[in-house]
Amino acid sequence: GQSLEQPSEVTAVEGAIVQINCTYQTSGFYGLSWYQQHDGGAPTFLSYNGLDGLEETGRFSSFLSRSDSYGYLLLQELQMKDSASYFCAVKRRDSTLTFGKGTMLLVSP
Amino acid sequence: DAMVIQNPRYQVTQFGKPVTLSCSQTLNHNVMYWYQQKSSQAPKLLFHYYDKDFNNEADTPDNFQSRRPNTSFCFLDIRSPGLGDAAMYLCATSSGTSGEETQYFGPGTRLLVL
Repeated sequence: GQSLEQPSEVTAVEGAIVQINCTYQTSGFYGLSWYQQHDGGAPTFLSYNGLDGLEETGRFSSFLSRSDSYGYLLLQELQMKDSASYFCAVKRRDSTLTFGKGTMLLVSP
Repeated sequence: DAMVIQNPRYQVTQFGKPVTLSCSQTLNHNVMYWYQQKSSQAPKLLFHYYDKDFNNEADTPDNFQSRRPNTSFCFLDIRSPGLGDAAMYLCATSSGTSGEETQYFGPGTRLLVL
């Protein structure tokens, strides 16, 4: 089976930096993805880590440590539009994803 | 623009009345997925197609079926909807190419069961 743990909610102010952690227990782990979902919208892909280390894409970065079964998403220079739910998802051998329960990020002025 | 399209955006059905949700894609992707997402929960994979090969998740109820008549279209059939099947149903695609990690999601169909 697979289980992923991430905080249910995180709050921050505009311009700040926030880190959303994800720990997982799984068999057949191939990588960790991150998706953003605005309320009522579709999930959109943010980042993927197949190997240990940091991946940077603009204001967003993602990190993976396979030995610790741990990853995080780092959001810098927060903007109001970043208020959304963020899901970590484990990639399985058949390339399907198992999603965590999501973290709701609230960005205030 | 290449995209994933789901119609309708909102679907109302009656308890026990079969319903079909549709998904089409202009990305020419090999893989298509159906997810169920209930309020404030994670998307849960129901099944996926790699080309014509159907892959059912072990815990997907028999009440849920799928068809993929061609590369572009995929359907989700709910044979006898129950109140617990009310949810957002998301269709997604991916290329299936090694190294291409992105799944592209459609806007979803919100199903209401009366």
